[in-house]
Amino acid sequence: EAGVAQSPRYKIIEKRQSVAFWCNPISGHATLYWYQQILGQGPKLLIQFQNNGVVDDSQLPKDRFSAERLKGVDSTLKIQPAKLEDSAVYLCASSLSGRQETQYFGPGTRLLVL
Amino acid sequence: AQTVTQSQPEMSVQEAETVTLSCTYDTSESDYYLFWYKQPPSRQMILVIRQEAYKQQNATENRFSVNFQKAAKSFSLKISDSQLGDAAMYFCAYISGGGADGLTFGKGTHLIIQP
Repeated sequence: EAGVAQSPRYKIIEKRQSVAFWCNPISGHATLYWYQQILGQGPKLLIQFQNNGVVDDSQLPKDRFSAERLKGVDSTLKIQPAKLEDSAVYLCASSLSGRQETQYFGPGTRLLVL
Repeated sequence: AQTVTQSQPEMSVQEAETVTLSCTYDTSESDYYLFWYKQPPSRQMILVIRQEAYKQQNATENRFSVNFQKAAKSFSLKISDSQLGDAAMYFCAYISGGGADGLTFGKGTHLIIQP
């Protein structure tokens, strides 16, 4: 069974530029999560999708971050414009149907904003 | 809001010895689940063990076991017969029974295995 795929693995941009991350969850998983992991901290949930609908985006900085999950499969997370404090690892995770089920994580995208 | 606290930023243990990582959490809910995740250097996070709050029996997975003290809101991880491959960041995490809000993670404990 293929795991959660993410791309790119690394990205370096200047502040005020835009960037997009892509995630392909495990086949058949209805729930998809995006987490932000700042160096030295645990991951923090940004947004949770159930199929193609948003379940929770209360911690997503909506003035600069956006995310979508078209057709309930792949997802894209975008930052526009990026700030220095957005430097972090962006993790995508998926689970079969949400709730308390085990979440499977992708390798993450490491973003550096200069 | 739920919080998860890991008070040990770093732990070191000799190979083949036993080590315990601490975790406490704060919640007003009665239905929830607790997890320990392992994040090796530059590799993806994987589940080590999970515990349902309604179960009194402590979860066990091979060399990994937990000590779940619900009244004290404590959830420690014991690693027996430590191996070099156990070296990683370990994160304690919480999720409510409904699953909304995703996982709430602690700051992690960096586990070093001394050969």
